[in-house]
Amino acid sequence: EIVLTQSPATLSLSPGERATLSCRASQSVGSSLAWYQQKPGQTPRLLISDASNRAAGIPARFSGSGSGTDFTLTISSLEPEDFAVYYCQQRGNWPLTFGQATRLEIK
Amino acid sequence: QVQLQQSGPGLVKPSETLSLTCTVSGGSISNYYWSWIRQPPGKGLEWIGEIQKSGSTIYNPSLKSRVTISLDTSKNQISLKLSSVTAADTAIYYCARVSRTTGWYFDYWGQGTLVPVSS
Repeated sequence: EIVLTQSPATLSLSPGERATLSCRASQSVGSSLAWYQQKPGQTPRLLISDASNRAAGIPARFSGSGSGTDFTLTISSLEPEDFAVYYCQQRGNWPLTFGQATRLEIK
Repeated sequence: QVQLQQSGPGLVKPSETLSLTCTVSGGSISNYYWSWIRQPPGKGLEWIGEIQKSGSTIYNPSLKSRVTISLDTSKNQISLKLSSVTAADTAIYYCARVSRTTGWYFDYWGQGTLVPVSS
């Protein structure tokens, strides 16, 4: 099973700042990685697919990069609604696995 | 638009079988793959398994011996059965659509069903 390790576990930033979230895979997943956002009491929302493709309706301030084992989600300038929990998920190998999450909180 | 509506018992006793249904509106289930995912309260996401439009299934090895996912195309429903449950199976259970157009990731989710396992 591929283990996804997200860092940091918690990121404290202020609106307007740049956020950089990391996801590292225990073995290569190629570009088969997605990012999801989950707010309290809500279902996860797909942000990025195949490492760098923004999903429909996702603002341009969200971008993804990386391949192989190292991936990054960047939020260029934080809006108040961006403070949430973020998960990476790989589809390079079965079983599908998720990272343990990064919580993005307001500083 | 696509909507996934989950239904099922809100409480299951230890050793019994958890059964959930996901009814899809706004499109035929035959055109997509479908997964079940769970989230213990306050914790992260765990993929349970996937059913492809052919009806073939792939399960998480950690749950494989206890899980069955099936399609009912006449009702546009996907179902999940998890047998011999214990308290460790207490979680919010989600159904989710897997779409080729989004790279085979989860683009639509059900509302989630909290299933406590308790006597």
